[in-house]
Order: sequence, then structure tokens, then C-alpha cells
Amino acid sequence: SQQGEEDPQALSIQEGENATMNCSYKTSINNLQWYRQNSGRGLVHLILIRSNEREKHSGRLRVTLDTSKKSSSLLITASRAADTASYFCATDPGGTSYGKLTFGQGTILTVHP
Amino acid sequence: DSGVTQTPKHLITATGQRVTLRCSPRSGDLSVYWYQQSLDQGLQFLIQYYNGEERAKGNILERFSAQQFPDLHSELNLSSLELGDSALYFCASSEGGDTQYFGPGTRLTVL
Repeated sequence: SQQGEEDPQALSIQEGENATMNCSYKTSINNLQWYRQNSGRGLVHLILIRSNEREKHSGRLRVTLDTSKKSSSLLITASRAADTASYFCATDPGGTSYGKLTFGQGTILTVHP
Repeated sequence: DSGVTQTPKHLITATGQRVTLRCSPRSGDLSVYWYQQSLDQGLQFLIQYYNGEERAKGNILERFSAQQFPDLHSELNLSSLELGDSALYFCASSEGGDTQYFGPGTRLTVL
């Protein structure tokens, strides 16, 4: 079963605009990760944020985590056509289930040139 | 390129048949994970191996089994295949840390 729910399901923007995707989850986590998938291909790891972190940056990516609300957001700034892909959040519960990722349903991002 | 390889890329078979999917992890990674991605179920964790031993199990059907060999490559065996088993099967590996590196997947079509 899917733990995460992502919002929106689909997002369409113009090149240069920012894209924000949200993820909510249900149980406690050790960390939360974001992955990108291009058109049915393999997943590419983007960024990981641990449960004791609130914000993390990597290049044009900014991730926030609010464990009290069990939610995370991924912001892609100055988007490019090459950012067109599906984006998934994945939660790692840690403990005896360490590494057992639970994925959300994903957000389909389309960036128009 | 993640460094994780999977074979074959595509597999077409009939209901009732048995197939084996193969995964070679990144050099040095001891953990291997298998995931299934389908339209109705999304991405689901199936099973994890660490250095040859089963570490965690997810929603893996009894008709499915996996193993990790001494050279650390892994195989996922799917038997008595049903139409609903058609999906993308991904393997991922990690060195024991948090980040998992995914292979390109095997697309299984059951006719």
C-alpha cells in the first residue's frame, strides 16, 4: 500500500517558472527521499532529508520536511524542459524496516519550453 | 547511469510460466532491493537482501522468490504468472546507507 500521497498529481508550467510538489505520509520516518523517473525508466535519486532536518538544498532543488504535519515539499526553481518527469517521494521508516522505502503515487511534471 | 544493471530489459511471456529477472548491484554495494511498479499499485517494495541474506520483506507474493548470490548479484523468480503480474520490476542497491541506486528495470508483459 502507498504511504505517501502526492499533490498535485500533475503539474504543467513554463520554462523558468518554479515547480512545487507536496508529499504527505502517515507513519513515523527515519528519512524521506525524492526520486525522479523519466518516462518509465529507472528512478534517479534527487535528495534525502532526515527526520531531524527541516530544510535541505541541492542545486535548484529545495526540500522541506515538517514531521509534525507528516509532510514534505520539493521545490524546483527556474525549471527547464529537461525537468519534465515524474517525481516521487519515498519514506524510510528506519529501525528494523530500514531501507524498506514506501513510495507515493508521484507528481507528473511537464515543463513547456 | 546508476551502475546497477538489470537483464533482460523486456520480457514477454504467457500466463502460468516462470521467469527469472537478474540484477547486478553497483560495485561494493551489499544491499539489493526489488520493487514492482504497476499502474494500479504504483511502486511497491518487494524484498531486500544484504550480503546474501534476506533482510526485509514487503508485499511479495508467495509465487515470487528471490536470492542474492556470493558475488552479490540477485535474481527475482516469478512463477505461475498471471496477467496482473505485468509490471516494471526494479532492482536497487546501496552500500548500507540511505540512498538507493535504481537500475533501468525489466518490463514484464504477461499475455
